[in-house]
Amino acid sequence: QSVLTQPPSVSGAPGQRVTISCTGSSSNIGAGNDVYWYQQLPGTAPKLLIYTNTNRPSGVPDRFSGSKSGTSASLAITGLQAEDEADYYCQSHDNSLSGYVVFGGGTKLTVL
Amino acid sequence: EVQLVESGGGSVQPGESLRLSCEASGFTFNIYWMYWVRQVPGNGLEWVSLINTDGSSTISADSVKGRLTISRDNAKNTLYLQMNSLRAEDTAVYYCVRGRGGSGRYYFDYWGQGTLVTVSS
Repeated sequence: QSVLTQPPSVSGAPGQRVTISCTGSSSNIGAGNDVYWYQQLPGTAPKLLIYTNTNRPSGVPDRFSGSKSGTSASLAITGLQAEDEADYYCQSHDNSLSGYVVFGGGTKLTVL
Repeated sequence: EVQLVESGGGSVQPGESLRLSCEASGFTFNIYWMYWVRQVPGNGLEWVSLINTDGSSTISADSVKGRLTISRDNAKNTLYLQMNSLRAEDTAVYYCVRGRGGSGRYYFDYWGQGTLVTVSS
């Protein structure tokens, strides 16, 4: 059972917009801790996609965007492409846990 | 170019030991906190251990505390994970990861390719 809750799967057709939610609690996201998102393509290591809630590292297309409100965060992907099919993980910190790092359980994005 | 290259994974029996290594290059290793993160095949990500820049402070997840020990050699730009008393539930891909951030709140901007550890009788 992950500390952060994500839907197991989402899907969308090419060109569509999808969102992936990440729900936490008052001890992690709701406590003001930032949220980060990672993309894991099949058979590869995770890659940083969004940092500090809304920022994209160099090289990440602006089709990817992040937001945060209250105890939740969201990753939005617009203009869906076949190459976006991957697992997506959110990450934050929890003030009640040593080491602080917590992950969501991951969401499998399928491009129809 | 930042590179993190893990080695040392393999198949062992329960109760045995392994040492994972992660050779870092392309950045100033001794100014970054470093982490091990693992992933059971087909499952999600789990933070394992973290270490500060000079190795004087480490924290491990409760699930591995007392069995898996993180360390680093800044002269060799290398991160280690000593894995003792291995259990079947330690079977996973282990990633060496660079931490960014501060004040104990870090995220992971570079990941190694991962090394698979299989614990089975």
